This record gives sequence, C-alpha cells and structure tokens, in this order.
Amino acid sequence: DSGVTQTPKHLITATGQRVTLRCSPRSGDLSVYWYQQSLDQGLQFLIQYYNGEERAKGNILERFSAQQFPDLHSELNLSSLELGDSALYFCASSAPGQGNEQFFGPGTRLTVL
Amino acid sequence: GENVEQHPSTLSVQEGDSAVIKCTYSDSASNYFPWYKQELGKRPQLIIDIRSNVGEKKDQRIAVTLNKTAKHFSLHITETQPEDSAVYFCAASPNRGGKSTFGDGTTLTVKP
Repeated sequence: DSGVTQTPKHLITATGQRVTLRCSPRSGDLSVYWYQQSLDQGLQFLIQYYNGEERAKGNILERFSAQQFPDLHSELNLSSLELGDSALYFCASSAPGQGNEQFFGPGTRLTVL
Repeated sequence: GENVEQHPSTLSVQEGDSAVIKCTYSDSASNYFPWYKQELGKRPQLIIDIRSNVGEKKDQRIAVTLNKTAKHFSLHITETQPEDSAVYFCAASPNRGGKSTFGDGTTLTVKP
C-alpha cells in the first residue's frame, strides 16, 4: 500500500458522459500527478499540481480538467467521454523538494461504452 | 521539454540470465532517474533510483548505471527469476518541480 488512495476503483459509463476521479495523496505530500495508461501502453503524463497550484501540463485534452483542493486531494474531470478515453488513470504523489519518488495509487479503470 | 527513449520494448530471457534495459534522455537539467516495475493490472512501484551525482547504484540483484555525459542510464537485473516478469519504466526528472518524463516501458518475460 503506497498511501495514495483513488476512488472509484472501476467506472463504467457511456460516450458523451462526464466523470470525476478522485485522489488523496500520501500524508505530507504536496505534489499530485495524473497519468493515463491505455491498454498495453505507457504512462502518459496529464497534469501535475503542487500545493493547490498547477505546476506542469502534459498531453491533457481540453475535455479533461483537474484541480487540487486545500486539503490536497485532487480530482480529475473527464467530459464528453469517447471510447478512446477508456484507460487506467493513475494518480501519484511525491514529497516536497526536487526529484522525489512518486508513489502511485491503485488506479481507476474507466470503461466508456 | 524532456524526451525519454527506452529500449528494448520487449525482452525475453531464461531464468538465471541477466537482463539490461536502456534509456536515453534529452534534458541535461534532469538529475533524478527512477525505475518503476509494474505488474499486470497493478500500480507502478519504484524499484531503484539514481541521482546525477552518482554513477552506479546497487540493490541486491538490481543495479542502475548513469552516464550524464552521454545522457543515458540503464537497469541491470542479474539472476532473473520468473517473478521479475513485468513492465519496467524508466523516468527522468528535471531540477525544478517534480514532473517525471517516463519511457514507453519494457515488457520483461523471464522463462522458467
């Protein structure tokens, strides 16, 4: 157990819908990262937050948005869902400072039908 | 931005043999290089990491080497076991912020 929690574990929805994925980082970690992993694919970095502020942006679609709240939990919102959005979405957190290990949550498996 | 290339994409070895996975990176500002192991359906987990002030690091059967001049780093697994079968990801993290750029992964299969 990494100490990072993600809910829900599984999500099945239809095209065109909107979903929210939730992540709670490890206690004391200020950074939260979101990744998308499609079947047999690598980890695609989506976005990073640090202490409530957006720190870095990757290949995140305009239909996707995220935020980090004052209690440091983060939510990833996916809207106008398409079949190709079906993937495993991981959240990771790391401690303050440069170049620290990222601890990954168990992931949310999203299936868009 | 940073670009990380990882080779090979698949690697099959016999139990007891060694396995080597190589990564190159582009941003000379990167100074932290972790390796993650991801078993099927599970989260990536850190297995070893190295910082730019170190050339080699070992942890039992696993070692990582770093060549900052050539901008490449490698993962070495000796005496491989079937439970080493997984996808391995390398990553590079720059000086500022914590964002890591991941390689595309190597699927390692260790045949008994």
